Amino acid sequence: ETGVTQSPTHLIKTRGQQVTLRCSSQSGHNTVSWYQQALGQGPQFIFQYYREEENGRGNFPPRFSGLQFPNYSSELNVNALELDDSALYLCASSASGYNEQFFGPGTRLTVL
Amino acid sequence: AQSVSQHNHHVILSEAASLELGCNYSYGGTVNLFWYVQYPGQHLQLLLKYFSGDPLVKGIKGFEAEFIKSKFSFNLRKPSVQWSDTAEYFCAVLNTGFQKLVFGTGTRLLVSP
Repeated sequence: ETGVTQSPTHLIKTRGQQVTLRCSSQSGHNTVSWYQQALGQGPQFIFQYYREEENGRGNFPPRFSGLQFPNYSSELNVNALELDDSALYLCASSASGYNEQFFGPGTRLTVL
Repeated sequence: AQSVSQHNHHVILSEAASLELGCNYSYGGTVNLFWYVQYPGQHLQLLLKYFSGDPLVKGIKGFEAEFIKSKFSFNLRKPSVQWSDTAEYFCAVLNTGFQKLVFGTGTRLLVSP
């Protein structure tokens, strides 16, 4: 059984740039959720994708967007990066009807 | 809106000491509750979960948690900690509407050998 994987591991960008983060869900999972974990904080829910459709969104601006592909992998896109976007971005996958989410190792984004 | 409070931000214990980490949530409906652990340099891992039934749940590595509905609490316990338990611990409640996890701010545990 393959776990949740994320790429890249680390990323450095400058203000105003755009970034794309990627996530491969665990085998058999069709739901992907994205979280932002700022330093010293707990993860904050960004949004969730189920069968390629957005299925709920947290309190994040529209410049945070996502996609889910037919193989259930997912992308998180952030436009017009701000310094406060510096954080660990976590992807979690789950199977529909099951409430347990399995987390990937995260992508550490630094915005300078 | 749901929220989760973890009262202890930093805890320092000696090996073999007992551990209890507090977690309170605000949500009046049916709740699914979780404790996750993040070891240094590793990703979030599930320690234990409560969906229904016996309010005392046992997880991995000797951890357990008790769901007390009247107190809106889900405290994590371990009778005797080890140096390898040094990690950050997160309590979370699930919004069952669309599987959104709401996390507390975390408790950083340091166990000295």
